[in-house]
Order: sequence, then C-alpha cells, then structure tokens
Amino acid sequence: EDQVTQSPEALRLQEGESSSLNCSYTVSGLRGLFWYRQDPGKGPEFLFTLYSAGEEKEKERLKATLTKKESFLHITAPKPEDSATYLCAVQGGSEKLVFGKGTKLTVNP
Amino acid sequence: GAGVSQSPRYKVAKRGQDVALRCDPISGHVSLFWYQQALGQGPEFLTYFQNEAQLDKSGLPSDRFFAERPEGSVSTLKIQRTQQEDSAVYLCASSFRGQNTGELFFGEGSRLTVL
Repeated sequence: EDQVTQSPEALRLQEGESSSLNCSYTVSGLRGLFWYRQDPGKGPEFLFTLYSAGEEKEKERLKATLTKKESFLHITAPKPEDSATYLCAVQGGSEKLVFGKGTKLTVNP
Repeated sequence: GAGVSQSPRYKVAKRGQDVALRCDPISGHVSLFWYQQALGQGPEFLTYFQNEAQLDKSGLPSDRFFAERPEGSVSTLKIQRTQQEDSAVYLCASSFRGQNTGELFFGEGSRLTVL
C-alpha cells in the first residue's frame, strides 16, 4: 500500500528564516511525486512534479528535491504570504494520488 | 468558467438524508477526480473518471456513495442515507490529461456537515 508521511505537522518561522519540509514515501513504482499548497477554505493548488531521484524544481522561494525515499520542500527567506498547508502526494500504479496529512507553515512578519 | 466549480459550497444534512454534490470541471478536461478531506487530514481518493467512464471507484467508502459523469463533463457525487462520519470537505479535481494525471486543478470543495 502506498504511503506518505510528512513532517513536521506544523512549523512556525520568522520572515526570512529558511527551512525545509520533509515528505517520506513508500510506493510501488513511482510515477510522480507532487507538491501542493492549500490555503484555508480552498482546494489544493499544484506546485511541482518530480519524477526521479536527483530531480529538482524551483519556483520563487520554493525548491523541491527528490531521493528514492523522500522529498524535501526548501523554503528560502519565506514571507508571510507563504503561510499555508503544504501537501505531498505520490502516484504509483494507478491514476489516484495518495496524499500525506500536510505541514502547516506559519511565517510571522 | 476559469476554474473548477463546485456546488453547494456548504451543505448541512440531517442523518439519513440524501445529498448531491456537483462539480463543473474546466472545459475540455478529460479526467475528473473526487477526493474526501477530513479536518486536519490530507485528501483521500474516492473515484476517477476519464470522460464519461468511471475507471476507478476503489476509494468509495460504502455503497451509499455513488458518482456519475454522464456526458463527460459535469459530475455529481451522491451520498445516500448520510451518516455523521460522512462529514468532510468533498473536493473535485480535473486534468486535461487522460493519463499521468497528477497535476490536478482542484475546486474549492463542498463542505458537508451531517447532524
């Protein structure tokens, strides 16, 4: 059974304080690992897809990396508007995504 | 519309009532998914359509849950004889791809509360 575990559950940062979120996964035949951002009362918003170990993707202050067992979402010099829940998901042998519980990030000004 | 539209946004039902939740995907999107998100949890897969064909319904929790997409566009998720454990946000997502559909566009969800 495909599984995703995200840590920490919650993270508080000061504006400008860089950090990383972790996503550990087990999946039969990884077809893709996905990062989404979810704001309160909204649906998840797609950020990145990673397909193979060693791959990296960047967007503004965010960088996602992938190994054979985990993915990291690095946040550099975060701003208050980066506050959200970040969800990690994997796609294995079917079209469905298996999500983790998410990391709730709060960036204080 | 520009995005995935879901209605109603909020629904309160008495235990035992039937409910229907509607999803209008982005025009031309082939794939449509339903996910269930409980408070503080990540979304959990319910079912998947490619055009009008329901290709995977393995996530539907019981036979009280039924989904359809008769013309390959709008989809409806129906829950019969609602129970308190059905309280959750129901998210609809679509993708223009027929396969490798991990890059999804989500609606804002329908929040169901069963009293």
